[in-house]
Amino acid sequence: DTGVSQDPRHKITKRGQNVTFRCDPISEHNRLYWYRQTLGQGPEFLTYFQNEAQLEKSRLLSDRFSAERPKGSFSTLEIQRTEQGDSAMYLCASSLSGYNYNEQFFGPGTRLTVL
Amino acid sequence: ILNVEQSPQSLHVQEGDSTNFTCSFPSSNFYALHWYRWETAKSPEALFVMTLNGDEKKKGRISATLNTKEGYSYLYIKGSQPEDSATYLCAHNAGGTSYGKLTFGQGTILTVHP
Repeated sequence: DTGVSQDPRHKITKRGQNVTFRCDPISEHNRLYWYRQTLGQGPEFLTYFQNEAQLEKSRLLSDRFSAERPKGSFSTLEIQRTEQGDSAMYLCASSLSGYNYNEQFFGPGTRLTVL
Repeated sequence: ILNVEQSPQSLHVQEGDSTNFTCSFPSSNFYALHWYRWETAKSPEALFVMTLNGDEKKKGRISATLNTKEGYSYLYIKGSQPEDSATYLCAHNAGGTSYGKLTFGQGTILTVHP
C-alpha cells in the first residue's frame, strides 16, 4: 500500500502521560499536514511541513504539542502532559506541491483517548 | 461567510433516492474547494477538486458544482446505495500564504438504508 500511513491507529492513555504519533506520507510528497478532528466537527489544521521545515503552526497547537519531520520523510506529533481535551482523531495528510491545487491525501488517523 | 459550513449535518435516505448537500465558504481568497468522502475506520478519500466558477465535475453517480462568486458548492448523489453511507466533507483552500492548508466544514453524515 503506497498511501499515507499512521501509527498507532488507536491510543488510550492516562491524563498527564506523553504520547507520540507517527505519519508516513506518500514517498514523493514534499508537504505534510497534521489535522485534529473532535466529535461533531470537521478536521482542524494543526501544522504544516514543506520538506523538513515546519512553516506554519495553528494557535490550536499549544506548547504541549510538538511536531517534527526529520529529513523531510516521516513525521511525528508528540503531546506532552495529555489532557482530556486532547481526546480526538489526529489525521495526517501529504501532498506534492504544484499537483492538482495541492490535493491532499489522508491517512486513516490515530484516535487518541485520554482517561 | 467567514467559515466553511455544511448542511445538512446528517441525512437519512432510502436506497435509490437522490440527495444533495451544500457547502458554503468565504468567496474571497479562493484557490480551490475539495470534497472528501470519509467512511468509518478508513482514510478520507478525495472526490473532487473544484477550482473554477461554474465548474461541474462527475464521478459515477456523484457530481459537484461550484459557485465561487457567491461561495457555495453542491454535491449530488444520484440513486444512493448503502455503500454511499459516509461522512462527506468539503474543505476550502484559500491559497496564497496559507500554504494550501484546508479549512473543513463539519461534514454531512449520510446514511443510506436498504
